[in-house]
Amino acid sequence: QKEVEQNSGPLSVPEGAIASLNCTYSDRVSQSFFWYRQYSGKSPELIMSIYSNGDKEDGRFTAQLNKASQYVSLLIRDSQPSDSATYLCAVNDGKSNYKLTFGKGTLLTVNP
Amino acid sequence: DAGVIQSPRHEVTEMGQEVTLRCKPISGHNSLFWYRQTMMRGLELLIYFNNNVPIDDSGMPEDRFSAKMPNASFSTLKIQPSEPRDSAVYFCASSGSDRAPTEAFFGQGTRLTVV
Repeated sequence: QKEVEQNSGPLSVPEGAIASLNCTYSDRVSQSFFWYRQYSGKSPELIMSIYSNGDKEDGRFTAQLNKASQYVSLLIRDSQPSDSATYLCAVNDGKSNYKLTFGKGTLLTVNP
Repeated sequence: DAGVIQSPRHEVTEMGQEVTLRCKPISGHNSLFWYRQTMMRGLELLIYFNNNVPIDDSGMPEDRFSAKMPNASFSTLKIQPSEPRDSAVYFCASSGSDRAPTEAFFGQGTRLTVV
């Protein structure tokens, strides 16, 4: 059973701080990694994808990937109250390439 | 593009009734997924289709669940008979754009309540 593990939180940060969200995965041959944001009562929204080791930046978001350690992270700089949501890490199946396995998510609260 | 479209948004039904959930994927996407989300188990993949063909249905809980994709623009998930433990949010997602073939986009979901 391929697994994706996240700290369930809640993670609470003050407005303007950096929020750091972490994820580990068990499938060593996974090639695609995603972060989804899910507001309460809404559907998951894709915010970042990363495929290579290292950092990928998009606005206030930075995704970091370390395949050797089977570790993915998401940094949110200058956190805003509107960033308060559950963040889901998703990893694709290394063999099928179509199947995504999701972590259970980390609840982030940004306090004004 | 309108994104992935699901219907209905909410469904309340009595135990034993048949429930049909519908999904229209993003045009041009060749993969379609049905997920179920609960507080206890998170997002679980039920079934996925590639080019309208079911590839992996190992997540379908039992024979009461069935899914079809008769063409590239429509899929259904049917539960017959429904049970209270089927209450959850059911999401449809699609992927397969040329630019980013593995990026999946979700519909708004159907919140199913079985009483």
